[in-house]
Amino acid sequence: RKEVEQDPGPFNVPEGATVAFNCTYSNSASQSFFWYRQDCRKEPKLLMSVYSSGNEDGRFTAQLNRASQYISLLIRDSKLSDSATYLCVVSPAGTASKLTFGTGTRLQVTL
Amino acid sequence: NAGVTQTPKFQVLKTGQSMTLQCAQDMNHNSMYWYRQDPGMGLRLIYYSASEGTTDKGEVPNGYNVSRLNKREFSLRLESAAPSQTSVYFCASSPVVTGNQPQHFGDGTRLSIL
Repeated sequence: RKEVEQDPGPFNVPEGATVAFNCTYSNSASQSFFWYRQDCRKEPKLLMSVYSSGNEDGRFTAQLNRASQYISLLIRDSKLSDSATYLCVVSPAGTASKLTFGTGTRLQVTL
Repeated sequence: NAGVTQTPKFQVLKTGQSMTLQCAQDMNHNSMYWYRQDPGMGLRLIYYSASEGTTDKGEVPNGYNVSRLNKREFSLRLESAAPSQTSVYFCASSPVVTGNQPQHFGDGTRLSIL
């Protein structure tokens, strides 16, 4: 089983739609969770951290479910500019923790 | 703000050639990282440097060496390039190496080995 698993998509949604991605992780000791966004042929950029109680940043909402070992990202009122690949990133506990990246979920928002 | 700067942006090498990828950050971060990204795979850590003067292997270190030249700069060297090293290489930095700190990425080096 992969450490971090994501549905590769693509998710094709019309502008204005709500879309949600899930990501499962295998290491129950994981402590930190992030969503990164990566545009085609560009570097990953931090979208948001994911906190235990869930958190929201504008149209984006992230949730963490430790019992089922998954995180989710909800995008409301999708914009054309949201088209990108969304990377789920998990960090295990430890003094020299390193990030484990999922392969990403591709989102295509259309007119 | 420059953030994390990588050079070169593109490079084509022949098998057996050597080269060094350069990375510099101006955010006063202690920790720096080198990743490679291949189609259908997540970013994989090659080496990292928790702080100036230290380096450690990541998930896929074979065929690579690194140097943490100073706090700002972290270079990645391919001594004898192989076609399997064709990839996009990203350098990243974070304030510290502990896992609750997000990493900031450079815009990548696209490397092709013929």
